[in-house]
Parts: sequence; structure tokens; C-alpha cells
Amino acid sequence: AQTVTQSQPEMSVQEAETVTLSCTYDTSESDYYLFWYKQPPSRQMILVIRQEAYKQQNATENRFSVNFQKAAKSFSLKISDSQLGDAAMYFCAYIPNSGYALNFGKGTSLLVTP
Amino acid sequence: DAGVIQSPRHEVTEMGQEVTLRCKPISGHDYLFWYRQTMMRGLELLIYFNNNVPIDDSGMPEDRFSAKMPNASFSTLKIQPSEPRDSAVYFCASSLKPGPGELFFGEGSRLTVL
Repeated sequence: AQTVTQSQPEMSVQEAETVTLSCTYDTSESDYYLFWYKQPPSRQMILVIRQEAYKQQNATENRFSVNFQKAAKSFSLKISDSQLGDAAMYFCAYIPNSGYALNFGKGTSLLVTP
Repeated sequence: DAGVIQSPRHEVTEMGQEVTLRCKPISGHDYLFWYRQTMMRGLELLIYFNNNVPIDDSGMPEDRFSAKMPNASFSTLKIQPSEPRDSAVYFCASSLKPGPGELFFGEGSRLTVL
């Protein structure tokens, strides 16, 4: 079975600082994709960033970047220059290339303080 | 594009009543997913459709749950009879292709069963 673990139920960061959210996953597949989704209070899930396992280069999207460690099965999200609007639940998700649906972690609640 | 549209946004009902949740996927998306989100279990896939046909309903909790997709622009998730443990946020999502393709979520329907 493939599982996604987010070990930090809650995290807090000050505005303009950097925070890293952790995610580990378990799989026997070699070809897969990893995602981070953001869920603000409005509830809508928004894709933040995507990583393809066969790519060694870590994905980046503006202030968001990942540290993908394939051997360690680790996929952390770094948010730089945190903004109040970054406050949300963040979900890590996994899917094998042959799969059809995302497998989500339980989420990390990020609080951003002024 | 209007995005994935779900209704109702909130539903409060009494145990034993029938509940119907509705979803309109993004036009042109051939894949539609129903997820359930709870604090205890996180986001769970209930069922997914491809070209209006249910492909995998192994996540549907029990016979009280049923889902249909009569056409490419409409899907329903029905619970009858509802129970307090069904209280959750139910998300509909659609995508152009399965697997690593981007998944677009609706805003969810928050169900409370008293």
C-alpha cells in the first residue's frame, strides 16, 4: 500500500520568514508524481507545486520550492518570504505514473503571524 | 471557465434522511472524482468516473452511498439513509486525464448529520 505521512499537524511562521513542511511517502514504484496542495479557509484545494520522480531537479514556483529526496522518500515544501495569505492547510499527495487518483497525507495547518 | 461547481455548499440534515450532493465538472474533463475529507481520516477517494462510467468505487464506505454520472456535465453523490458518522466535507474534482494530470477541485459540500 502507498501511504503519505505528514508528521507536523501544525506549523507556525512569522511573516517574511521561511518555513519547511515535511512529507514522507512509502512506495515500491519507481515512476511517480508528488504534489503539494493548499487548502485555505475557503476550502478549495489549490495546486501549489508538482514534482516528477524521474526529475532530479527540485521543482520551484515563485516562493515555493521542494526538497525531493527520492532515496529517502521525502518531499518537503519550503515557503520563502511567508505572507499572511499563505496561512492554510497544506496537503502532500502522491500518485504512481500508472495510477489514477491522488493519495493524500493528513495535512499540516500553517499559521502565519504578523 | 467557472471551475468545478458543487452544491450545496452546506447541508444540515437529520439522521435517516436522504442527502444528495451535486457536481458539475469543468467542461471537457473526462475524469471525475469524489473525495471525502474528515479530521480523522483526511482526504479519501470514494469513487471516480471516466467518460461518465464508474471505474473504481472501492472507496465507497457502504451500500448507503451511491454515485451517478448521467452525463458529462453532472454527477451526484447520494447517501441514504444518512448517519452522523457521514458528517464530512465532500469534494468533487475533475481532470483532463488521470494520474499525474492536474486535479481541479470544487469548493466542497460540508455535510452535517445530526
